[in-house]
Amino acid sequence: GENVEQHPSTLSVQEGDSAVIKCTYSDSASNYFPWYKQELGKGPQLIIDIRSNVGEKKDQRIAVTLNKTAKHFSLHITETQPEDSAVYFCAATPGQAGTALIFGKGTTLSVSS
Amino acid sequence: DVKVTQSSRYLVKRTGEKVFLECVQDMDHENMFWYRQDPGLGLRLIYFSYDVKMKEKGDIPEGYSVSREKKERFSLILESASTNQTSMYLCASIRQGSQYFGPGTRLTVL
Repeated sequence: GENVEQHPSTLSVQEGDSAVIKCTYSDSASNYFPWYKQELGKGPQLIIDIRSNVGEKKDQRIAVTLNKTAKHFSLHITETQPEDSAVYFCAATPGQAGTALIFGKGTTLSVSS
Repeated sequence: DVKVTQSSRYLVKRTGEKVFLECVQDMDHENMFWYRQDPGLGLRLIYFSYDVKMKEKGDIPEGYSVSREKKERFSLILESASTNQTSMYLCASIRQGSQYFGPGTRLTVL
């Protein structure tokens, strides 16, 4: 079955710097890759997602890139702010849209001012 | 706006009790999911449902059951709670292929 590896497990940056989180997946049939942000005491919030027919997607300060050949995808946050501090999860699914996700173990991002 | 609600934010139960966790979505979605989240283990799928009265086991279904009598409601049942079921439980629902989570229920079993 699908396996998703996420790195790093913790990431500390200064306010204004960029942050990059990387994930690899094992099942070449995977075709949907969302990213979630989870703040303390809350459920994960979908922040951006990408489908296998797209190589890059951007939404303001966040962007996701996908390399299907290498089976990895990355989250890029530019001009980080203290409110970006949270746990970030990547996920993948080899099924049709709407099927269960396989999650990475998460990255704790700390942005210091 | 996507809305997934869970019946309790915090719950404390005793070993051996039967526990019900409720999840409601108001968006007429077919697919609903239950996960548990533990430090160092990430999110793990317990059960999911593609439609009313349909259920599928996820990766860790042991000790749990589910019920989906109405489309908007998906219940997770701990038949006899044990201390190793102390965890954060997250419900999710699908809209246009994207999965959205509820706020979570932090369950403590004493």
